[in-house]
Formats: sequence, structure tokens, C-alpha cells
Amino acid sequence: EIVMTQSPATLSVSPGERATLSCRASQSVSSNLAWYQQKPGQAPRLLIYGASTRATGIPARFSGSGSGTEFTLTISSLQSEDFAVYYCQQYNNWPPRSTFGPGTKVDIK
Amino acid sequence: QITLKESGPTLVKPTQTLTLTCTFSGFSLSTSGVGVGWIRQPPGKALEWLALIYWNDDKRYSPSLKSRLTITKDTSKNQVVLTMTNMDPVDTATYYCANIAARLIPHWGQGTLVTVSS
Repeated sequence: EIVMTQSPATLSVSPGERATLSCRASQSVSSNLAWYQQKPGQAPRLLIYGASTRATGIPARFSGSGSGTEFTLTISSLQSEDFAVYYCQQYNNWPPRSTFGPGTKVDIK
Repeated sequence: QITLKESGPTLVKPTQTLTLTCTFSGFSLSTSGVGVGWIRQPPGKALEWLALIYWNDDKRYSPSLKSRLTITKDTSKNQVVLTMTNMDPVDTATYYCANIAARLIPHWGQGTLVTVSS
């Protein structure tokens, strides 16, 4: 089973600053990596797929990079609506095995 | 516009069987490549994928929960049903159904909180 880890667990950032979130896979998932944003009381929202492709309607300040086992989500200039929990998900060998990372919470500094 | 909505009990007792229904619109589960899946999230914890069913009735389950899960579809009603047997307090979670396309999860239901308690 592929294990996903994310760091840091919590990231404190001021509005307007840049945020960099990391996701690591225990073995290569190629570029089959997605990022989701989840706000309190809401369902997750797909942000990035294929490691670097923004989903429909996602602002350009969100960008993804990486391949293999190391991935990064960057939010270039944090807006108030971006404070949330971010999950990475590998879908390289899904189904049946799909794994989500434990999440990174981005909160206000 | 694709929408999904989960329905079912909010409280179940330990050892009981949970039955959740996902009612969706905006897509057809008879279209090639389309699937509907279930994902859950215990309070304050991460997401866990449970099961999915494809347009061709191909069914896939989380290996760790496979013995307890059954997923079925009713294409004419635009519904997918998930049953989970032998519920335990650790199964307390928000259960989401979602539209699956090309192994991605672009559309999610609002989720339903299921509490397992005697």
C-alpha cells in the first residue's frame, strides 16, 4: 500500500504571503496526484490533478508541481478564502487502492 | 450541473448494518467511464476511500473494509447504495458520495454524519 505523508501538519501564513505545502508518497505514483481543499463543514474540492493541472474554476494562484514521490502545492498569495485544510491523494493504483494524505491545515498567522 | 446528496440514518447502534443512499443528478451512471464512490471522514481526521461502482457494474472496495461493504446502483433512479455491516463506534464519520471521472473526484455530496453509539 502506498502511504502518503504531508508536511507541515499546520502552516501559519499571513494574507498575501506565499504558502508551500509538501506531499510525499512512499513509492512512485508518477504524476497521478491530486490536491483537494476542504473548509470547515464542507466537502473537499478538487484543486489540482495530474500533479500540476488546475481543475475547472481554480484560480491561477494555486499551482502544483512534482512527480514520482515528491509533490508541492503552492498558493502564491494567500487570500482569506484559502485558509483551509489541504489533502493530497494518489490515484496511481486506484482502484482499489487510493490513499489520501493526512492533510495540512493552513491557518492565519 | 452535477449534484449528489447522501441520505440515511444519523445514528446507528453497534453491530447494526448501515445503509446509505446517494441520489445524484447531472450525469448518468450508464455513461462509459463514469463511477460513483463513497469516502468517509471521522471527526477531525483524514479522508478514507471506501468503495466505488462504475457504469458497467464493476465494483471496487477498500481492501481493509471489503468484507463489510456492499455497493449497488439503480441507474433508473440515479442512485447508489452503500451498506456497511457490523458498525462500530470507530465508524463514526461523515460519509460522502462522489462522482468519479477518470479516477478523479471532481464532484462531492455535502456529506452525512453517521454516529455509532448505543
